[in-house]
Amino acid sequence: GEDVEQSLFLSVREGDSSVINCTYTDSSSTYLYWYKQEPGAGLQLLTYIFSNMDMKQDQRLTVLLNKKDKHLSLRIADTQTGDSAIYFCASGGGFQKLVFGTGTRLLVSP
Amino acid sequence: DAEITQSPRHKITETGRQVTLACHQTWNHNNMFWYRQDLGHGLRLIHYSYGVQDTNKGEVSDGYSVSRSNTEDLPLTLESAASSQTSVYFCASSDGGGDPTDTQYFGPGTRLTVL
Repeated sequence: GEDVEQSLFLSVREGDSSVINCTYTDSSSTYLYWYKQEPGAGLQLLTYIFSNMDMKQDQRLTVLLNKKDKHLSLRIADTQTGDSAIYFCASGGGFQKLVFGTGTRLLVSP
Repeated sequence: DAEITQSPRHKITETGRQVTLACHQTWNHNNMFWYRQDLGHGLRLIHYSYGVQDTNKGEVSDGYSVSRSNTEDLPLTLESAASSQTSVYFCASSDGGGDPTDTQYFGPGTRLTVL
């Protein structure tokens, strides 16, 4: 079945850029998503990219998609301590059946 | 404000007992989902529903059941709880209609421990 892989942990200093990577296997995925989970809370949608796009920018967030390599990345510019959380990528298509990655725990130190 | 709630937030039970986790949303969303979150596995889909009286099995449905008798609620039942079902359970809902840009809204989660 569909598989979505992420590295488990990333540590950065406040003010640096963070890059969280994800690989997926289903080339038919229509959309790819990034969710953020803060401690003790559910997931919140951060951003998404349509599969025929290469890049999407939304304020401090930049999503890059390499469809050939099935590689997705999330770049957070000027990372703040409030960005510390678990970040999930997910792939999916119609009718919202999402397949989630394992999550990357981002730790931002002052 | 519209919201999605889960209860209880924490539950400890014993092996073999039946447990029901509640999920209630006030957005009038058609789609509702149950996931479990385990270290190293991310979120895995247990069951989902596209509307009243509709239920479907997800990736890890064995040992779980759901029923959808109204739009607002999708309770998840563990028929005979097993230690392997110790996990954090998340309910989510979305508007539906098959548009992939519809956001899934997640509840706060229920931490279930099976002893």
